[in-house]
Amino acid sequence: DAGITQSPRHKVTETGTPVTLRCHQTENHRYMYWYRQDPGHGLRLIHYSYGVKDTDKGEVSDGYSVSRSKTEDFLLTLESATSSQTSVYFCASLADGTEAFFGQGTRLTVV
Amino acid sequence: TQLLEQSPQFLSIQEGENLTVYCNSSSVFSSLQWYRQEPGEGPVLLVTVVTGGEVKKLKRLTFQFGDARKDSSLHITAAQPGDTGLYLCAGSIYNTDKLIFGTGTRLQVFP
Repeated sequence: DAGITQSPRHKVTETGTPVTLRCHQTENHRYMYWYRQDPGHGLRLIHYSYGVKDTDKGEVSDGYSVSRSKTEDFLLTLESATSSQTSVYFCASLADGTEAFFGQGTRLTVV
Repeated sequence: TQLLEQSPQFLSIQEGENLTVYCNSSSVFSSLQWYRQEPGEGPVLLVTVVTGGEVKKLKRLTFQFGDARKDSSLHITAAQPGDTGLYLCAGSIYNTDKLIFGTGTRLQVFP
């Protein structure tokens, strides 16, 4: 299995606070993705990266920012968390045109 | 707007029945993948189809990529309780690095 880990696995935070989720991969994959998963929506793309410091927006990027300062790390930040951002967040990585490997997810609750 | 629509959203069948899940889009994809997700885990790849009209078989699962590379289907023959799970299609939009997922089909197979 590809080495991809997410931290934290669970987090409860208050509305209006900043939150950062971390994704770390050990496969030297070029591409990394952040998704959120909500009932009835499958996985929706938030942001993705195609290299160090190269990122772009996905379908549901409002309220989220990302950074990729090293190949292995992709950070997702909620600048000011809202209840609508309560979700399960998944990170994925892949090499060119191959299988996407996923972390185990982060369950975020905004109260 | 979800670029990849799956149908049906839910499927509940008896062991031994056949079923087909559809994945449709108005966009062209350079490749299309099918994943299966278990509760509390990230999705795991089942198959990748690349060529328009391509058919791939994986034991009792048959995957087809549409001629125009805008749609795909997953057919399961003689479903078993172990097939229970969330099935997701995913596609790399042509000429982009985006990997987007469908809305998902939750399958339950009863013994």
